[in-house]
Amino acid sequence: GAGVSQSPRYKVAKRGQDVALRCDPISGHVSLFWYQQALGQGPEFLTYFQNEAQLDKSGLPSDRFFAERPEGSVSTLKIQRTQQEDSAVYLCASSPAGASGRALHEQYFGPGTRLTVT
Amino acid sequence: QQQVKQSPQSLIVQKGGISIINCAYENTAFDYFPWYQQFPGKGPALLIAIRPDVSEKKEGRFTISFNKSAKQFSLHIMDSQPGDSATYFCAASMGNNDMRFGAGTRLTVKP
Repeated sequence: GAGVSQSPRYKVAKRGQDVALRCDPISGHVSLFWYQQALGQGPEFLTYFQNEAQLDKSGLPSDRFFAERPEGSVSTLKIQRTQQEDSAVYLCASSPAGASGRALHEQYFGPGTRLTVT
Repeated sequence: QQQVKQSPQSLIVQKGGISIINCAYENTAFDYFPWYQQFPGKGPALLIAIRPDVSEKKEGRFTISFNKSAKQFSLHIMDSQPGDSATYFCAASMGNNDMRFGAGTRLTVKP
């Protein structure tokens, strides 16, 4: 079956522009996660959805970052007024189980969107 | 705050050799310890994972060794192959969503 897909794969934005990054999780996966991966580093947690509910957004670095998953499937990560420090790969992952399931830990990642802010 | 420390940063191994990557964690509440493999331009892919109630888990050429008292765990890749050349990340999580990743190890297996 299809894995997690993300679009666009690459995005170049001028400083100050708004961007929107899309994630299509694996069909039927309840949980969805966004991570930010700086060059040469491991992914860092941004936010987590269970269905359409955003249960944790503690990793969002500033109020310029906003994520939504209105129908409990596709998710969008929006970054307003982009800054150079926002340049990174943004990874989306999905998981089949909700908070009560041990399988929640098994996250399946998409290929990421590489954002470059100039 | 780095809760998972990974070493080495890079590793070069000859084909057929054993690759060993180490991780240490701080928070004893972590209850799930996965290893991810990432190729350039791809997202991380789950390789193998362990829970703290066992000391070792083996899947094919990949083995996780877990030392709960030392708060350390390691990945061993036996009979390393050039196709194993990738970046490996250890991670630790607790509860539902709090997954913390190490900084990664770039493995190169020379033919």
